[in-house]
Amino acid sequence: DGGITQSPKYLFRKEGQNVTLSCEQNLNHDAMYWYRQDPGQGLRLIYYSQIVNDFQKGDIAEGYSVSREKKESFPLTVTSAQKNPTAFYLCASSIGRGVRTEAFFGQGTRLTVV
Amino acid sequence: GENVEQHPSTLSVQEGDSAVIKCTYSDSASNYFPWYKQELGKRPQLIIDIRSNVGEKKDQRIAVTLNKTAKHFSLHITETQPEDSAVYFCAVKTGANNLFFGTGTRLTVIP
Repeated sequence: DGGITQSPKYLFRKEGQNVTLSCEQNLNHDAMYWYRQDPGQGLRLIYYSQIVNDFQKGDIAEGYSVSREKKESFPLTVTSAQKNPTAFYLCASSIGRGVRTEAFFGQGTRLTVV
Repeated sequence: GENVEQHPSTLSVQEGDSAVIKCTYSDSASNYFPWYKQELGKRPQLIIDIRSNVGEKKDQRIAVTLNKTAKHFSLHITETQPEDSAVYFCAVKTGANNLFFGTGTRLTVIP
Protein backbone atom coordinates (compact mmCIF):
# COMPACT_ATOMS: atom_id res chain seq x y z
CA ASP A 1 0.00 0.00 0.00
CA GLY A 2 2.15 2.87 -1.31
CA GLY A 3 5.47 1.21 -0.34
CA ILE A 4 6.24 3.66 2.46
CA THR A 5 6.10 2.50 6.06
CA GLN A 6 6.21 4.44 9.27
CA SER A 7 6.70 2.98 12.72
CA PRO A 8 5.54 2.94 15.36
CA LYS A 9 1.91 3.96 14.83
CA TYR A 10 1.68 5.35 18.38
CA LEU A 11 4.55 6.63 20.49
CA PHE A 12 4.67 8.02 24.00
CA ARG A 13 7.52 10.18 25.19
CA LYS A 14 8.41 11.39 28.62
CA GLU A 15 9.49 14.96 29.15
CA GLY A 16 13.19 15.42 28.35
CA GLN A 17 13.53 12.27 26.24
CA ASN A 18 14.59 11.99 22.63
CA VAL A 19 12.56 9.67 20.43
CA THR A 20 13.10 8.48 16.87
CA LEU A 21 10.37 7.90 14.32
CA SER A 22 11.11 5.46 11.53
CA CYS A 23 10.29 5.96 7.84
CA GLU A 24 11.20 3.37 5.20
CA GLN A 25 10.29 3.29 1.49
CA ASN A 26 10.83 0.68 -1.21
CA LEU A 27 9.71 2.86 -4.11
CA ASN A 28 13.24 3.85 -5.14
CA HIS A 29 12.31 7.48 -4.54
CA ASP A 30 15.03 10.07 -4.21
CA ALA A 31 13.07 12.64 -2.21
CA MET A 32 11.74 12.13 1.29
CA TYR A 33 9.87 14.52 3.57
CA TRP A 34 8.71 14.83 7.16
CA TYR A 35 5.56 16.77 8.00
CA ARG A 36 3.86 17.58 11.24
CA GLN A 37 0.06 17.71 11.32
CA ASP A 38 -1.77 19.64 14.03
CA PRO A 39 -5.53 20.24 14.06
CA GLY A 40 -6.40 23.24 11.90
CA GLN A 41 -2.82 23.81 10.78
CA GLY A 42 -2.46 21.45 7.87
CA LEU A 43 0.85 19.85 7.02
CA ARG A 44 3.97 21.73 8.05
CA LEU A 45 7.33 20.76 6.60
CA ILE A 46 9.97 19.77 9.16
CA TYR A 47 12.82 18.43 7.03
CA TYR A 48 13.30 17.16 3.51
CA SER A 49 15.98 15.27 1.65
CA GLN A 50 16.48 15.15 -2.12
CA ILE A 51 19.38 12.69 -2.14
CA VAL A 52 21.31 10.41 0.20
CA ASN A 53 23.54 12.18 2.73
CA ASP A 54 21.84 15.51 2.12
CA PHE A 55 18.88 17.13 3.84
CA GLN A 56 17.46 20.59 4.36
CA LYS A 57 15.42 22.30 7.05
CA GLY A 58 11.79 23.02 6.43
CA ASP A 59 9.63 25.64 8.12
CA ILE A 60 9.63 24.12 11.62
CA ALA A 61 12.94 22.25 12.00
CA GLU A 62 13.79 23.50 15.48
CA GLY A 63 13.90 20.65 18.00
CA TYR A 64 14.09 17.96 15.31
CA SER A 65 16.94 16.16 13.57
CA VAL A 66 17.15 13.73 10.65
CA SER A 67 19.63 11.55 8.81
CA ARG A 68 19.67 10.08 5.29
CA GLU A 69 22.35 7.42 5.26
CA LYS A 70 20.38 5.16 2.92
CA LYS A 71 18.02 5.98 0.08
CA GLU A 72 15.27 3.87 1.67
CA SER A 73 15.38 5.38 5.14
CA PHE A 74 14.74 8.85 6.59
CA PRO A 75 14.37 8.67 10.39
CA LEU A 76 13.21 11.68 12.38
CA THR A 77 14.42 12.33 15.93
CA VAL A 78 12.29 14.50 18.15
CA THR A 79 14.67 15.97 20.69
CA SER A 80 14.03 17.35 24.15
CA ALA A 81 14.48 20.81 22.64
CA GLN A 82 11.10 20.48 20.89
CA LYS A 83 8.80 22.13 23.39
CA ASN A 84 5.47 20.96 22.02
CA PRO A 85 6.06 17.62 20.29
CA THR A 86 2.60 16.11 20.70
CA ALA A 87 1.32 15.81 17.12
CA PHE A 88 0.71 13.51 14.20
CA TYR A 89 3.83 13.00 12.07
CA LEU A 90 3.68 12.04 8.41
CA CYS A 91 6.55 10.89 6.25
CA ALA A 92 6.33 11.11 2.45
CA SER A 93 8.45 10.26 -0.55
CA SER A 94 8.47 11.23 -4.21
CA ILE A 95 10.56 10.59 -7.27
CA GLY A 96 12.03 14.06 -6.80
CA ARG A 97 13.14 14.82 -10.32
CA GLY A 98 10.75 15.93 -13.04
CA VAL A 99 7.73 18.17 -12.78
CA ARG A 100 5.04 15.74 -11.72
CA THR A 101 6.29 14.55 -8.37
CA GLU A 102 3.41 12.79 -6.66
CA ALA A 103 4.09 12.31 -2.97
CA PHE A 104 3.19 9.05 -1.28
CA PHE A 105 2.55 9.15 2.43
CA GLY A 106 3.14 6.70 5.23
CA GLN A 107 0.32 5.92 7.63
CA GLY A 108 1.68 8.33 10.24
CA THR A 109 2.96 8.23 13.81
CA ARG A 110 0.99 9.81 16.61
CA LEU A 111 3.41 11.10 19.24
CA THR A 112 2.18 11.99 22.72
CA VAL A 113 4.21 13.50 25.53
CA VAL A 114 3.28 12.05 28.92
CA GLY B 1 9.75 28.61 1.99
CA GLU B 2 6.69 28.85 -0.21
CA ASN B 3 3.61 30.47 1.34
CA VAL B 4 0.48 28.48 0.50
CA GLU B 5 -2.88 29.80 1.69
CA GLN B 6 -6.02 27.70 1.47
CA HIS B 7 -9.66 28.76 1.91
CA PRO B 8 -12.10 28.00 3.35
CA SER B 9 -10.98 26.00 6.36
CA THR B 10 -14.38 24.32 6.61
CA LEU B 11 -17.09 23.84 4.00
CA SER B 12 -20.52 22.24 4.26
CA VAL B 13 -22.61 21.51 1.19
CA GLN B 14 -25.81 19.62 0.47
CA GLU B 15 -25.43 16.36 -1.40
CA GLY B 16 -25.51 17.04 -5.12
CA ASP B 17 -24.25 20.61 -4.84
CA SER B 18 -20.79 21.76 -5.92
CA ALA B 19 -17.82 22.54 -3.68
CA VAL B 20 -14.94 24.88 -4.47
CA ILE B 21 -11.70 25.19 -2.54
CA LYS B 22 -9.10 27.85 -3.38
CA CYS B 23 -5.36 28.15 -2.82
CA THR B 24 -2.85 30.90 -3.44
CA TYR B 25 0.92 30.66 -3.52
CA SER B 26 3.85 33.06 -3.56
CA ASP B 27 6.73 31.53 -5.55
CA SER B 28 6.30 32.27 -9.25
CA ALA B 29 8.78 29.45 -10.05
CA SER B 30 6.38 26.83 -8.64
CA ASN B 31 5.40 24.39 -11.36
CA TYR B 32 3.24 21.57 -9.99
CA PHE B 33 -0.01 21.79 -8.04
CA PRO B 34 -1.50 18.60 -6.60
CA TRP B 35 -4.58 18.13 -4.44
CA TYR B 36 -4.73 15.51 -1.70
CA LYS B 37 -7.71 13.99 0.12
CA GLN B 38 -7.34 12.74 3.68
CA GLU B 39 -10.16 10.65 5.07
CA LEU B 40 -10.54 10.30 8.81
CA GLY B 41 -7.68 8.28 10.29
CA LYS B 42 -6.02 7.69 6.92
CA ARG B 43 -3.04 9.07 5.07
CA PRO B 44 -3.39 11.82 2.45
CA GLN B 45 -3.78 10.54 -1.11
CA LEU B 46 -3.45 12.32 -4.41
CA ILE B 47 -6.76 12.95 -6.21
CA ILE B 48 -5.80 15.29 -9.02
CA ASP B 49 -2.87 17.45 -10.08
CA ILE B 50 -2.01 20.09 -12.65
CA ARG B 51 1.22 21.37 -14.14
CA SER B 52 2.03 25.01 -14.69
CA ASN B 53 1.66 24.80 -18.47
CA VAL B 54 -2.00 23.75 -18.19
CA GLY B 55 -4.96 25.93 -17.20
CA GLU B 56 -7.55 23.28 -16.35
CA LYS B 57 -7.76 19.55 -15.80
CA LYS B 58 -10.82 17.36 -15.23
CA ASP B 59 -11.29 13.86 -13.89
CA GLN B 60 -14.95 12.85 -13.69
CA ARG B 61 -16.52 14.93 -10.92
CA ILE B 62 -13.36 16.77 -9.90
CA ALA B 63 -11.49 19.50 -11.71
CA VAL B 64 -8.62 21.83 -10.97
CA THR B 65 -8.06 25.26 -12.49
CA LEU B 66 -4.82 27.24 -12.40
CA ASN B 67 -4.24 30.95 -12.89
CA LYS B 68 -0.47 31.27 -13.00
CA THR B 69 -0.51 35.04 -13.41
CA ALA B 70 -2.56 35.54 -10.28
CA LYS B 71 -0.84 32.63 -8.52
CA HIS B 72 -3.98 30.79 -7.48
CA PHE B 73 -5.56 27.46 -8.21
CA SER B 74 -8.85 25.86 -7.24
CA LEU B 75 -10.41 22.45 -6.72
CA HIS B 76 -13.97 21.96 -7.98
CA ILE B 77 -16.09 18.99 -6.96
CA THR B 78 -19.47 18.66 -8.69
CA GLU B 79 -22.44 16.50 -7.71
CA THR B 80 -21.00 15.97 -4.26
CA GLN B 81 -21.64 12.71 -2.43
CA PRO B 82 -21.29 11.80 1.26
CA GLU B 83 -18.09 9.88 0.52
CA ASP B 84 -16.51 13.15 -0.62
CA SER B 85 -16.50 14.22 3.05
CA ALA B 86 -12.83 14.51 4.07
CA VAL B 87 -10.04 17.02 4.56
CA TYR B 88 -8.58 18.34 1.31
CA PHE B 89 -5.09 19.79 1.00
CA CYS B 90 -3.63 21.75 -1.85
CA ALA B 91 0.12 21.60 -2.40
CA VAL B 92 2.73 23.45 -4.40
CA LYS B 93 6.03 22.12 -5.72
CA THR B 94 8.61 24.87 -5.84
CA GLY B 95 11.46 25.37 -8.25
CA ALA B 96 13.71 23.87 -5.58
CA ASN B 97 11.70 20.62 -5.78
CA ASN B 98 10.06 20.89 -2.38
CA LEU B 99 6.43 20.26 -1.62
CA PHE B 100 4.52 22.72 0.56
CA PHE B 101 0.95 22.15 1.69
CA GLY B 102 -1.99 24.40 2.47
CA THR B 103 -3.72 24.30 5.85
CA GLY B 104 -6.52 22.04 4.68
CA THR B 105 -10.28 22.30 4.14
CA ARG B 106 -12.69 20.05 6.00
CA LEU B 107 -15.51 19.29 3.57
CA THR B 108 -18.78 17.91 4.91
CA VAL B 109 -21.40 16.70 2.46
CA ILE B 110 -24.83 16.63 4.08
CA PRO B 111 -27.10 13.83 2.81
